Amino acid sequence: GAVVSQHPSWVICKSGTSVKIECRSLDFQATTMFWYRQFPKQSLMLMATSNEGSKATYEQGVEKDKFLINHASLTLSTLTVTSAHPEDSSFYICSARDLSNNYGYTFGSGTRLTVV
Amino acid sequence: DAKTTQPPSMDCAEGRAANLPCNHSTISGNEYVYWYRQIHSQGPQYIIHGLKNNETNEMASLIITEDRKSSTLILPHATLRDTAVYYCIVRVFNTNAGKSTFGDGTTLTVKP
Repeated sequence: GAVVSQHPSWVICKSGTSVKIECRSLDFQATTMFWYRQFPKQSLMLMATSNEGSKATYEQGVEKDKFLINHASLTLSTLTVTSAHPEDSSFYICSARDLSNNYGYTFGSGTRLTVV
Repeated sequence: DAKTTQPPSMDCAEGRAANLPCNHSTISGNEYVYWYRQIHSQGPQYIIHGLKNNETNEMASLIITEDRKSSTLILPHATLRDTAVYYCIVRVFNTNAGKSTFGDGTTLTVKP
């Protein structure tokens, strides 16, 4: 089945630095990928829709200059958290859909970001 | 996408069937019902989906009411590893649209 690989699985960074998270569709091409954020004991919140070859679409309240999304190829989308602060500490998850099957969206395993 | 409501938590005895309900009273005719589950600190895992007919796969069964305003996910023989948060989502089965709006889900705890 469709596999979405997310890297790194966890990262600790200092406040003020930037962190890049990668999301790859391993055995299918994805023109669209999605980025979610999940705080402890809460549900997933959609942050943005990543479109291959064009600008990402951000949900209301998500700062596009802080959460930079690049979708340069059909198998890779990246999320860069710029000038990270402790309040950005969260679980970030990406998803993509393999159009060749009916299984809906496949999610990555998530990235646990801790900003200290 | 239509909103869904689920009970916040449920318990189930190991080996028994777990029946997880979901209300989606504003579902549109072209929206499918999807179920995912999320085990702690992992990404959501696809379970099953359906439009109006009942569906079954190796993981679960999905029962959708005739008016499509509610559905039930059935795990026929729950195991301890089925303890997770279960999300019911309704969305259009579209080639490009993809936003999946997650509600709060149901935390299923399978007890020995």
